[in-house]
Amino acid sequence: GENVEQHPSTLSVQEGDSAVIKCTYSDSASNYFPWYKQELGKRPQLIIDIRSNVGEKKDQRIAVTLNKTAKHFSLHITETQPEDSAVYFCAARPGGSYIPTFGRGTSLIVHP
Amino acid sequence: SAVISQKPSRDICQRGTSLTIQCQVDSQVTMMFWYRQQPGQSLTLIATANQGSEATYESGFVIDKFPISRPNLTFSTLTVSNMSPEDSSIYLCSVITGQGSQPQHFGDGTRLSIL
Repeated sequence: GENVEQHPSTLSVQEGDSAVIKCTYSDSASNYFPWYKQELGKRPQLIIDIRSNVGEKKDQRIAVTLNKTAKHFSLHITETQPEDSAVYFCAARPGGSYIPTFGRGTSLIVHP
Repeated sequence: SAVISQKPSRDICQRGTSLTIQCQVDSQVTMMFWYRQQPGQSLTLIATANQGSEATYESGFVIDKFPISRPNLTFSTLTVSNMSPEDSSIYLCSVITGQGSQPQHFGDGTRLSIL
């Protein structure tokens, strides 16, 4: 089955800095890669996703890149703000399946 | 996206008892799932709730412990049976609407503590 590794487990940055979270996956059949943000005590919320036919996708301060050859994808947050502090989960989902495999999560702390 | 309502939002239960968690969606969905999230951990899939038939359980989860119902396209229940302190966790309902590679959305979760 699919295996998703996520790094780092904790990331501490100063407000205004950039943050990068990296994930690798094992199943070459995976073609859909969502990212979720989970604030303390709240539900995981989809913040951005990318499909395997695209190499990069941006939404304001958030971007995701995908390298299919190397089987890794990354979340980039620019100009971080304290409200970006949360746990971020990456996931990979094989084509033909509704079920993603989640990474272990990255706790992002943005210091004012 | 669909509005997903889970009840109860939290509960404190005695060991050996059972609790049923409800998940109601405001529109018909293609797929419904139940996840467990232990403190500080990732999301672990318990089962896929199938409409009108038995749920599909992941390795390590069994129907006797986590019976699931899904009587229609908008509602599902998860029961946590014969609870022990190890069952203390957040239980999340998740849905996919539409066909194809649609994203998965989560309910607010049920925070369960077993004494």
